Amino acid sequence: EAQVTQNPRYLITVTGKKLTVTCSQNMNHEYMSWYRQDPGLGLRQIYYSMNVEVTDKGDVPEGYKVSRKEKRNFPLILESPSPNQTSLYFCASSLGGSAYTFGSGTRLTVV
Amino acid sequence: KQEVTQIPAALSVPEGENLVLNCSFTDSAIYNLQWFRQDPGKGLTSLLLIQSSQREQTSGRLNASLDKSSGRSTLYIAASQPGDSATYLCAVMTTDSWGKLQFGAGTQVVVTP
Repeated sequence: EAQVTQNPRYLITVTGKKLTVTCSQNMNHEYMSWYRQDPGLGLRQIYYSMNVEVTDKGDVPEGYKVSRKEKRNFPLILESPSPNQTSLYFCASSLGGSAYTFGSGTRLTVV
Repeated sequence: KQEVTQIPAALSVPEGENLVLNCSFTDSAIYNLQWFRQDPGKGLTSLLLIQSSQREQTSGRLNASLDKSSGRSTLYIAASQPGDSATYLCAVMTTDSWGKLQFGAGTQVVVTP
């Protein structure tokens, strides 16, 4: 089944403890992206990658890192999480500007 | 900067009625527009994708139109069912921000039996 898989689905962590949210797609899509969704602010792009080793900032990149060492994987790294990064995170992928496929989401709480 | 607006923010209809959801955008230089459905606490499911050269797309009971010149798209859902209850989001990709989706805030739909 063609899909984008995120892990974990739910995560509660403490301020300052580094964490990684994994994202993997099995559709050979070159384009991958991370979004966060917050009440009243909607979905905002954090980082995106147009291909292996090519990444760039979206609208809200502060406090996040990404890497794209393989085409299928695009992990999101929070080096020192803070409470304002509590949010619902989505990974997405697409092939050449075609329809996007989104993962099921990761609900992160930073206390 | 592209701004995407969805009106109304919420909508409640009885089962069987047709649904009309609106999406407007400020920059007509778009690459494509995509409609998504989101159930509470869940991910986004792609419903329809309209390329900038197209006027409409259809899938089953769903039909989406695109008018670039007026900066509008409309999603029609025929003969609504309680299972159509969800939040519907439109997202625009502009030509100067290829790959990036700019989302509207969504329309929350409730279909009552």
